[in-house]
Amino acid sequence: ETGVTQSPTHLIKTRGQQVTLRCSSQSGHNTVSWYQQALGQGPQFIFQYYREEENGRGNFPPRFSGLQFPNYSSELNVNALELDDSALYLCASSWGGTSGHNEQFFGPGTRLTVL
Amino acid sequence: DAKTTQPTSMDCAEGRAANLPCNHSTISGNEYVYWYRQIHSQGPQYIIHGLKNNETNEMASLIITEDRKSSTLILPHATLRDTAVYYCIVRPATSGTYKYIFGTGTRLKVLA
Repeated sequence: ETGVTQSPTHLIKTRGQQVTLRCSSQSGHNTVSWYQQALGQGPQFIFQYYREEENGRGNFPPRFSGLQFPNYSSELNVNALELDDSALYLCASSWGGTSGHNEQFFGPGTRLTVL
Repeated sequence: DAKTTQPTSMDCAEGRAANLPCNHSTISGNEYVYWYRQIHSQGPQYIIHGLKNNETNEMASLIITEDRKSSTLILPHATLRDTAVYYCIVRPATSGTYKYIFGTGTRLKVLA
C-alpha cells in the first residue's frame, strides 16, 4: 500500500509568482483535502476534492484553486503569491464513503517560501 | 463544527504515562473524537479515535467522559520519540467527506 506523497518537498518563489503543488493519494482513496499550516499554527482547511469535484472550501481567496484527476491525485495552484502564503502545505487523502471511520492520511507536506 | 480546546504545552518524563486532555463541550451525538500528532513539521499522523466508549490500540488509549464533553489521550510509556504536537479533532461519523478543524494542539515534550 503506497502512502500519500507530495511534491516538491521545498519550494522558493517570489511575490506575484504562481505555484503548483502536487499530491498523490493513498491507494483506494477517492478524496483529497488540502491544508495550509503557518509556522506555530494548526493546519487550516483550504478545500477538498471528492471524485474530481470540489466538495467544500475553507476561508481562502479564489487565487487558491485545485484540481483532482481521474486517478484521484490532486494539484493545488496558488496565483499572485503573497508573503503570507509562506507555509507548509499538507495534502490528506481519505475514502469518501459514508461508512464511518474514514480518517484522513496526511502526506509529508510541501514547504513553500515566498520572498 | 464542534471546537476543541487543549493545553498549549505539557512535559512528561520518559517512561511515564502522558495524559493529554481535550475539551469538546459542544460535541454532537454523531461526532467522533480523533487524535493526531505531528512530529516536527511532518504530516499529522493518525493515533486513535472514539465515539463514546474507551478505546485502546498499539499506540495509545482514549478515555471519553460519559457526557462526551471531554477526553484524554494516554500514551502509557512515553518515549523521546513521542515528543510532538498532539491535536484533538471532532468530526461527523456518517460522512467520509469532511474537513478537519485543527486547533493549536498540545506541544508534548518528553524529557529524558
